Amino acid sequence: EIVLTQSPGTLSLSPGERATLSCRASQSVSSSYLAWYQQKPGQAPRLLIYGASSRATGIPDRFSGSGSGTDFTLTISRLEPEDFAVYYCQQYGSSPGTFGGGTKVEIK
Amino acid sequence: QVQLQESGPGLVKPSETLSLTCAVSGYSISSGYYWGWIRQPPGKGLEWIGSIYHSGSTYYNPSLKSRVTISVDTSKNQFSLKLSSVTAADTAVYYCARAGFGWGYLDAFDIWGQGTMVTVSS
Repeated sequence: EIVLTQSPGTLSLSPGERATLSCRASQSVSSSYLAWYQQKPGQAPRLLIYGASSRATGIPDRFSGSGSGTDFTLTISRLEPEDFAVYYCQQYGSSPGTFGGGTKVEIK
Repeated sequence: QVQLQESGPGLVKPSETLSLTCAVSGYSISSGYYWGWIRQPPGKGLEWIGSIYHSGSTYYNPSLKSRVTISVDTSKNQFSLKLSSVTAADTAVYYCARAGFGWGYLDAFDIWGQGTMVTVSS
């Protein structure tokens, strides 16, 4: 199975700053079948990005995804207070679909 | 608006079978998409358990395949999870979700239930 490694484990930033989150795959992710989710405490994950770079319905354009092959990035251009959360990547190009271990974005 | 709601016992004894149901509203399961189960142990990451189509076709994570059964009841517009021979390692929040882009069981999950905590303990 494909192992996804997310870095850093924790990102300490201030509102208004730019956040760059990394997701590295142990093998190439076919057809860029890579998604990003946001999860807040006590809530279910929310889909942000699918197909590596397509925003899901209702997701603000400050969220963007990029990358291909084994290296993918989620960028939040200017952090809003509601963006402090844990972010997970998921690959769904090879079975079984797998998730990364998460990156926590916390207020500095 | 499509909504998913998990239900089932919050406490299961070791060696017994965990059973959960996901009720879908706002969309007919028979119309398409795969529907999946994902779990999250306390303080840890997410793990895909398996997915089902309205026809009954199922796909399971190999790590759990020997213990998992997912079924669908289109008349009730719901699908279910059974996980047998549970241990403390199966303690987790269990989510049901829709694989939302029509690419099969391998897909991104666009709509999630709120999740239900299941504790395995005697």
